[in-house]
Amino acid sequence: DGGITQSPKYLFRKEGQNVTLSCEQNLNHDAMYWYRQDPGQGLRLIYYSQIVNDFQKGDIAEGYSVSREKKESFPLTVTSAQKNPTAFYLCASSIVWGSHNQPQHFGDGTRLSIL
Amino acid sequence: KNEVEQSPQNLTAQEGEFITINCSYSVGISALHWLQQHPGGGIVSLFMLSSGKKKHGRLIATINIQEKHSSLHITASHPRDSAVYICAVRGAQKLVFGQGTRLTINP
Repeated sequence: DGGITQSPKYLFRKEGQNVTLSCEQNLNHDAMYWYRQDPGQGLRLIYYSQIVNDFQKGDIAEGYSVSREKKESFPLTVTSAQKNPTAFYLCASSIVWGSHNQPQHFGDGTRLSIL
Repeated sequence: KNEVEQSPQNLTAQEGEFITINCSYSVGISALHWLQQHPGGGIVSLFMLSSGKKKHGRLIATINIQEKHSSLHITASHPRDSAVYICAVRGAQKLVFGQGTRLTINP
């Protein structure tokens, strides 16, 4: 079955460390997204990619980095510059960026905690 | 003020009750999504609509473009409906999300 796989489900990081969250999709979608979810708040867009080897900052990109070397993969690195990284991170994909007629598909998320 | 507001934030009901979750937005949109987030965190898309009403099983979603308001209804609610329901609107290409409504259905 096609879908989005995020790993790991739970991740712990020491202060000052970078950590990379994995997102893989086999839906053949061009567009991929990373969102952050905090308690009581709506999802916020961190980065998005419309096509391989291209990505754009979202609303809260500071302290994060991404790459899009393959269509099916869009890893997110939470750097030590991110001052409050503890959150739930969701990856999503869609057929095209900004499509008005297609839904986004979501992964099961990664919960990142700081030790 | 958030661009997308949901109410209520939390809702607890007994099995079998009719459930309504509301979503109001302040921006122009091309489509509105209702999403369901399970306790484990995964999100599934329930509806995408730009006008009128859609029905899937016991779920019904309506939207009033003039009033900038949408509702999600659940008929004959069941404990397995317990989840967080999220409204998201598509403005200038990107999605803007509400904060979610946590629904708990007790047996």
